[in-house]
Amino acid sequence: DTEVTQTPKHLVMGMTNKKSLKCEQHMGHRAMYWYKQKAKKPPELMFVYSYEKLSINESVPSRFSPECPNSSLLNLHLHALQPEDSALYLCASSPRQGDQPQHFGDGTRLSIL
Amino acid sequence: QKEVEQDPGPLSVPEGAIVSLNCTYSNSAFQYFMWYRQYSRKGPELLMYTYSSGNKEDGRFTAQVDKSSKYISLFIRDSQPSDSATYLCAGNSGYSTLTFGKGTMLLVSP
Repeated sequence: DTEVTQTPKHLVMGMTNKKSLKCEQHMGHRAMYWYKQKAKKPPELMFVYSYEKLSINESVPSRFSPECPNSSLLNLHLHALQPEDSALYLCASSPRQGDQPQHFGDGTRLSIL
Repeated sequence: QKEVEQDPGPLSVPEGAIVSLNCTYSNSAFQYFMWYRQYSRKGPELLMYTYSSGNKEDGRFTAQVDKSSKYISLFIRDSQPSDSATYLCAGNSGYSTLTFGKGTMLLVSP
């Protein structure tokens, strides 16, 4: 079991749906990350939150909207996604931004119909 | 040139073999080096974490970093079928984001 918990594990949605991915950690980490991983590729960074504030946005389309309601929770709101957005979405955390190592959750496998 | 180069494999070995997985990197500022193991349909699991040059051992796993040649290695002794997974190396300067290699798929046959 990982110390970073992601829900749901699987999600299938249509291109007009709105859904949210959730990530939770109770390690006291103050940096949290969203990554996107396509098959047979390494994770690609999407967003970094540091002390609940958005620190890095890697030019991610606005149909992905992150939110960090508190130091333990990270959400990723999804709206009007495209089929090419189908991927494994991973959440990670570290003590502070730049601190290593990062600890990953098991991800949400997202399929866009 | 990609910052972290890693042979994607697959690397196939028999059970009990010693496995050597390697990466090269180009960013001289990297000080933190990690190996993650990723099983199919799971997230990356931190396997080894080293700071700067040197060796680190944990059970059957040994991580080596040679900053002079910008070369990082992971050795697995007495490999088991349960070691079959994709192994991702990663580097970081401490101020930037993680840079991953492409990952090497390892297959250990009984």
